[in-house]
Amino acid sequence: DIQMTQSPSSLSASVGDRVTITCRASQGIAKYLAWYQQKPGEAPKLLIYAASTLQSGVPSRFSGSGSGTDFTLTITSLQPEDAATYYCQKFNSVPWTFGQGTKVEV
Amino acid sequence: EEQLVESGGGLVQPGGSLRLSCEASGFTFSNYWMSWVRQAPGKGLEWVANINQDGREKYYVDSVKGRFTISRDNAKNSLFLQMNSLRAEDTAVYYCARESVIAVALWGQGTLVTVSS
Repeated sequence: DIQMTQSPSSLSASVGDRVTITCRASQGIAKYLAWYQQKPGEAPKLLIYAASTLQSGVPSRFSGSGSGTDFTLTITSLQPEDAATYYCQKFNSVPWTFGQGTKVEV
Repeated sequence: EEQLVESGGGLVQPGGSLRLSCEASGFTFSNYWMSWVRQAPGKGLEWVANINQDGREKYYVDSVKGRFTISRDNAKNSLFLQMNSLRAEDTAVYYCARESVIAVALWGQGTLVTVSS
């Protein structure tokens, strides 16, 4: 099975900072990658799909890039409400494996 | 409003069984692949199983194969997860989720399953 590895596992940044989270697949997955945000006690929320397409209603400070094995989630101008754990998920073939998560503190 | 509502979680002893349900509303349930995703306490997300629109195609993560069965009733807009031979490591919040082309765009609020003696 394809493994998904996120880095870093956690980070702390200030309001207004630019934050980058990386997700690496152990084999190529084209652009079959999604990013989710999860806050404590809540269900995950879809941010990005197809590696770079912003889900409707998601603020434009979130963006995604990459294809093949290397992907990036970027938050420009970090806001207090962006404190959460972020997960990538592959969607090229089952199992739909998630990365281990990146906790962002603001 | 599109919504998924899970039920059926609870405390069960190791080796026991539990059946989770998910009721969908606000969209045409029979048009979508559906998934179960779980999250152990303090841990990350793990995809468990999914099922296609007519229920004929089903896929499972290796750790639950032979123990869990996913099913659906399109007439009742409902998704199910029958869990047998439960283990302590199955303890988690179980989310019902609606798949789109290449992501999960709609999630339920989750139901907690605790496997403990």
